Amino acid sequence: AQSVTQPDIHITVSEGASLELRCNYSYGATPYLFWYVQSPGQGLQLLLKYFSGDTLVQGIKGFEAEFKRSQSSFNLRKPSVHWSDAAEYFCAVVLITGFQKLVFGTGTRLLVSP
Amino acid sequence: DTGVSQDPRHKITKRGQNVTFRCDPISEHNRLYWYRQTLGQGPEFLTYFQNEAQLEKSRLLSDRFSAERPKGSFSTLEIQRTEQGDSAMYLCASSLGTVGDTQYFGPGTRLTVL
Repeated sequence: AQSVTQPDIHITVSEGASLELRCNYSYGATPYLFWYVQSPGQGLQLLLKYFSGDTLVQGIKGFEAEFKRSQSSFNLRKPSVHWSDAAEYFCAVVLITGFQKLVFGTGTRLLVSP
Repeated sequence: DTGVSQDPRHKITKRGQNVTFRCDPISEHNRLYWYRQTLGQGPEFLTYFQNEAQLEKSRLLSDRFSAERPKGSFSTLEIQRTEQGDSAMYLCASSLGTVGDTQYFGPGTRLTVL
C-alpha cells in the first residue's frame, strides 16, 4: 500500500545540536516530496520540497533535506537547532499523476532542551 | 496578509447538531483542498475543488459531509448530525493548480463535539 512513514514520534534535541528527522515513502514511482512544520495555533508551513534534480534541497529556516531513491527516503536535517524550532514536522508526498492530494506521515514532534 | 483564512478557529457543538466552516483561499489560487487532522496524526485528504467544481472526494467524507465552492472563491464545509468522531482539526489549503505546486494552509478550525 502507498504510505509515508515517519518512524520517530518524538525527538528531543539540545539547543545548538544537529537534527535529523526521518521519512520513508512507499510508492511505485518517485513522488513529489515535501516537509511541512506545524507550530501550536499555526497552520502548516512548507519548509522545502523536492521534484527532481539535485537530491539535496535547501529550505527555509536553515533546513535541508536529502532525497535517496535507493532508500525511498527524504530525511530532514538542520545543523544547529534553535529553541524556536520546537514544533511538529510532517513529511508528505504528492503523486506525479493524479490530482495532487498530499499524503502525510504521522509527524514527528521535536522538543528542544536548553 | 493574503494567506488562507478559516472561520471559525474553534467550534464546540453538541452531538447531532450541524456545523459549517468557511475557508477563504489565496485570491489567485484555482485549487482548494480540505483535510482533516486528528490528534497524533497527519492531515488526511477530504476533498478538493478546481475552481467551483468538486473533483474528488475521499471515502472519509461520509454523506453527512458536504462541501461547496460557489463561484470558485471561498469554500464551506458542512457537517450534519455531528458525531463525537467528527472532533478534529479541519484544515483548508489552496494552490495555483500546477503540477507539484505548493499547497498553502490556513490555521484550521478545531471542532469539538460533546
